[in-house]
Amino acid sequence: LAKTTQPISMDSYEGQEVNITCSHNNIATNDYITWYQQFPSQGPRFIIQGYKTKVTNEVASLFIPADRKSSTLSLPRVSLSDTAVYYCLVAANRDDKIIFGKGTRLHILP
Amino acid sequence: GAVVSQHPSWVICKSGTSVKIECRSLDFQATTMFWYRQFPKQSLMLMATSNEGSKATYEQGVEKDKFLINHASLTLSTLTVTSAHPEDSSFYICSAAIAGDYNEQFFGPGTRLTVL
Repeated sequence: LAKTTQPISMDSYEGQEVNITCSHNNIATNDYITWYQQFPSQGPRFIIQGYKTKVTNEVASLFIPADRKSSTLSLPRVSLSDTAVYYCLVAANRDDKIIFGKGTRLHILP
Repeated sequence: GAVVSQHPSWVICKSGTSVKIECRSLDFQATTMFWYRQFPKQSLMLMATSNEGSKATYEQGVEKDKFLINHASLTLSTLTVTSAHPEDSSFYICSAAIAGDYNEQFFGPGTRLTVL
């Protein structure tokens, strides 16, 4: 199972763009990269998923370089409600068990 | 999107009693469900993989006789914490994946267990 490494915490201000980078050096050929958001006392919520290059949806963008050994979650114009823990995960398919890393605790300041 | 529910959302019990937590996939079938435990300020820790119609696969260090998992149907998995003790107090979360070609796992809202 690919291990992921992220910054433990980050601070930013409302309206700013926030980029969280995740390292996954031993990612396998079949692995997808998925990011989840978790608020206190709630289950993780899917944000975005990608395999390579760039993926964008209504809430975030995901940048994956050609070697796929890292990925960057980009949150445009964050608000206070984006304060949460963000997890980067890699897994090959839907039935793969997911091993959570420590995640990144993002704190948005007014 | 697909919805996973958990019941109860919170439970308080006395030490020595057993507690059952249900995980349901509301609008899809899930051949595989996962159970996690999360302590305050920590990440989710995978406890076991629940497969419909077969025995669960437990992670190293998780006592299968203490945490009984049953996955009797494609939409329901249950976790029973037997003879609960205060150290079992935690946030229990399940997840499920849609039977198909999609890679996303959907997480339940979690169950807060407090053992007195």
